[in-house]
Amino acid sequence: GENVEQHPSTLSVQEGDSAVIKCTYSDSASNYFPWYKQELGKRPQLIIDIRSNVGEKKDQRIAVTLNKTAKHFSLHITETQPEDSAVYFCAASPTGNQFYFGTGTSLTVIP
Amino acid sequence: EAQVTQNPRYLITVTGKKLTVTCSQNMNHEYMSWYRQDPGLGLRQIYYSMNVEVTDKGDVPEGYKVSRKEKRNFPLILESPSPNQTSLYFCASSLGTATEAFFGQGTRLTVV
Repeated sequence: GENVEQHPSTLSVQEGDSAVIKCTYSDSASNYFPWYKQELGKRPQLIIDIRSNVGEKKDQRIAVTLNKTAKHFSLHITETQPEDSAVYFCAASPTGNQFYFGTGTSLTVIP
Repeated sequence: EAQVTQNPRYLITVTGKKLTVTCSQNMNHEYMSWYRQDPGLGLRQIYYSMNVEVTDKGDVPEGYKVSRKEKRNFPLILESPSPNQTSLYFCASSLGTATEAFFGQGTRLTVV
């Protein structure tokens, strides 16, 4: 099956700096890549997703890039704020039904 | 309010005692799924369902059963729980395949 690796596992940034989280996947059939944010003690929530026919997608301070050739995708958060502190998970789906998640990145934004 | 509701939120049980975690959504979503979340392992998919009476195995289905008799409900059944099934469980639903998943609030299960 698909294997998704996520790095780094922890990330600390100063408020206002950018944060980048990277994921790689193994199955070239994967065509849907969502990112979820999970605050402490809460449920995961989708923050952005990208499909394989698109190389980049932006939503305000958040962007995701996808390199199908290299089989990696990245989450970029600009102008970080303390409320961005959370665990972020990437995922890859080869079928739209089966989802394989990364192991998560704990992001801390230092005021 | 659109939501996915799981019950119970917390459960402590003993090895071998059958249990069911319920999941219900009020958004008329076709697709529902169960995940377990363990420290350092992220979320792992247990089972999913694309519609009523249609279920399929995810990445870690061993020791679990599901059913989808109604569109809104997707219970997770552990017929003989073991300590290695101690975990945080999430149910999720989405409009269809490859669309945003809405998660329930989670069920923390401890098997002793």
